[in-house]
Amino acid sequence: DADVTQTPRNRITKTGKRIMLECSQTKGHDRMYWYRQDPGLGLRLIYYSFDVKDINKGEISDGYSVSRQAQAKFSLSLESAIPNQTALYFCATSDNGAHQYEQYFGPGTRLTVT
Amino acid sequence: AQKVTQAQTEISVVEKEDVTLDCVYETRDTTYYLFWYKQPPSGELVFLIRRNSFDEQNEISGRYSWNFQKSTSSFNFTITASQVVDSAVYFCALEPGGSYIPTFGRGTSLIVHP
Repeated sequence: DADVTQTPRNRITKTGKRIMLECSQTKGHDRMYWYRQDPGLGLRLIYYSFDVKDINKGEISDGYSVSRQAQAKFSLSLESAIPNQTALYFCATSDNGAHQYEQYFGPGTRLTVT
Repeated sequence: AQKVTQAQTEISVVEKEDVTLDCVYETRDTTYYLFWYKQPPSGELVFLIRRNSFDEQNEISGRYSWNFQKSTSSFNFTITASQVVDSAVYFCALEPGGSYIPTFGRGTSLIVHP
C-alpha cells in the first residue's frame, strides 16, 4: 500500500460548490503539506502543518482551508470552488527531527471546477 | 526570500544523448538544502537527491549526476545516455535550514525520443 494516499484521485465540480480533498499517511511523519501544481508554475504551497495543533498558511492560501484531524490525516477544503482552482493537488509529508528531509508525495488529485 | 530558477521549460533529446538540466537558486541563508524530484507521466513526484550547503561534492548515481557549485548558485543535474524512461518533469527545490519549507522551481520537462 502507498505510504501517502489522496482521495479522490479525480474530481469534477461546479463553481460555488464546497469540496474536500483528503490525505492520509502511514509514514508516521508529523510534517504535512498541501501543494497545487499548474502548468508552467511548478508546485506552490497552500498550507502546511508541523503537528496536529499547528496549521500555517503557505504562498497561496486564499480560497482554501485545512484541517489536521490526526497525525496521519490532513484535509484541504475549497469552501466555494472557482474555475481558477482547477489544478493538480498534491499532499506531501516529511520526516520529523532537526534535519531537512525530502518530501514524500501522494499520487495527486486532479480537480476540475466548471 | 528564496528563489529557484529552472530556465529550461522543455528539453527534447534523442535516446542515448547526454542532457543537463539547470537549476539556479537565490538565498541569503548560509545553511540550506537543495533537492531534485522527478515527476514521470504517471504524475507522482519522486525524490532523487538532497544536498546541503556545506557539501559541494558532486554526486553520481548510475546514469545520474549532480553538480553543486556555490560560486554560481547552481545545482545542475545531468543524465548520461538518456533513455525513454527518463522522460518526465524534473523539479529543483531549495529549503533553508530549519524552515522545513521548500521552494520549488517551475520544472523542466524532458522528452526523450526513441
